[in-house]
Amino acid sequence: AQSVTQLDSQVPVFEEAPVELRCNYSSSVSVYLFWYVQYPNQGLQLLLKYLSGSTLVKGINGFEAEFNKSQTSFHLRKPSVHISDTAEYFCAVSLRLTGGGNKLTFGTGTQLKVEL
Amino acid sequence: DTGVSQDPRHKITKRGQNVTFRCDPISEHNRLYWYRQTLGQGPEFLTYFQNEAQLEKSRLLSDRFSAERPKGSFSTLEIQRTEQGDSAMYLCASSSRMSTDTQYFGPGTRLTVL
Repeated sequence: AQSVTQLDSQVPVFEEAPVELRCNYSSSVSVYLFWYVQYPNQGLQLLLKYLSGSTLVKGINGFEAEFNKSQTSFHLRKPSVHISDTAEYFCAVSLRLTGGGNKLTFGTGTQLKVEL
Repeated sequence: DTGVSQDPRHKITKRGQNVTFRCDPISEHNRLYWYRQTLGQGPEFLTYFQNEAQLEKSRLLSDRFSAERPKGSFSTLEIQRTEQGDSAMYLCASSSRMSTDTQYFGPGTRLTVL
């Protein structure tokens, strides 16, 4: 079974400050890991993904994440946040399905609130 | 690409009524997924299609739920005899043959059962 834990339900941060959103996963097989962002009343947008290779993954909007196998973590970071980064962020792990598809298992999300 | 589209965006219904949602995936995406997201939670997998074949169903998908993708393009999700517990955001996602690991999500259909 796979699971994802996002310990922080809310993270307040001032504009231009750095931020880290934490994600820990549990999986019995090799993992693919993802971060999605959800703005109010919208669907999910892919920020970045780890499939293999370099453990430091860069995504859109200046976000990056580091895969740490020994700590089973995939924390999301941004060195300087902007008001427009205020949104809900979801970490997800992928499980291969019959026919080559992938089932995403999501964490409960972290609400990032950027303040002036 | 015009992105994944879903219709309607919002649906309010009374308990016991049937509802149907539609999802149009990105053109030529062969895989299509349905997820359900309740308030304060992450999306949960419901079902998955490769072309017109429904290959996987979650145990969350009770007998009152049925999904189809008749021509391997758009998909419908029907809920019969709706219950208040069905109130949620229903999200559709699609992925391509070339990038099977990346799912592109639509804006969702928010269902409210009174």
